[in-house]
Amino acid sequence: DSGVTQTPKHLITATGQRVTLRCSPRSGDLSVYWYQQSLDQGLQFLIQYYNGEERAKGNILERFSAQQFPDLHSELNLSSLELGDSALYFCASSAGQGWADTQYFGPGTRLTVL
Amino acid sequence: ILNVEQSPQSLHVQEGDSTNFTCSFPSSNFYALHWYRWETAKSPEALFVMTLNGDEKKKGRISATLNTKEGYSYLYIKGSQPEDSATYLCAFLPDSGTYKYIFGTGTRLKVLA
Repeated sequence: DSGVTQTPKHLITATGQRVTLRCSPRSGDLSVYWYQQSLDQGLQFLIQYYNGEERAKGNILERFSAQQFPDLHSELNLSSLELGDSALYFCASSAGQGWADTQYFGPGTRLTVL
Repeated sequence: ILNVEQSPQSLHVQEGDSTNFTCSFPSSNFYALHWYRWETAKSPEALFVMTLNGDEKKKGRISATLNTKEGYSYLYIKGSQPEDSATYLCAFLPDSGTYKYIFGTGTRLKVLA
């Protein structure tokens, strides 16, 4: 158990809908990272937040947005969902903001868009 | 477009064998390289973070080396055990200022008892 929690574990929704994925980092960690793993692609970095501020942006679609709240939990919002958004979404956390910090991954949220 | 390649794609070894895999990355820019162990139906587990040329890290029977000048990192497993069966993933961070992690596609290891 990494100490990172993600909810929900599974989510099934329809195209065009909007969903919110939630992540709670390990106690004391200030950075949260979001990743997407779809069937036809490897792990893709989406976005990083550090202490409430956006720190780095990867291959995140405009339909997706994220935020980190004062209690350091983070939410990833996915809107106007398409079939291709079906994937496993991981959240990870690290103590600092540096990319040389060890990242601890949560169990993931599996999103299925029908 | 920066590419991170891992070889081999998959590997079957007998219990007790030692094995190694490669992660290749562009040598022109380097900030950090991460190794992860990813078991089926679980989430990636951090093994090593490597930042300096010549770095050598070790955790139990697993070790890793880094050569930033030639753009590769090796992961070694000594005396493989069935519980080592997993996908080993490397992630490269170029010193490009964009802080975008680039993942390799992984080496899938199966250790046969």
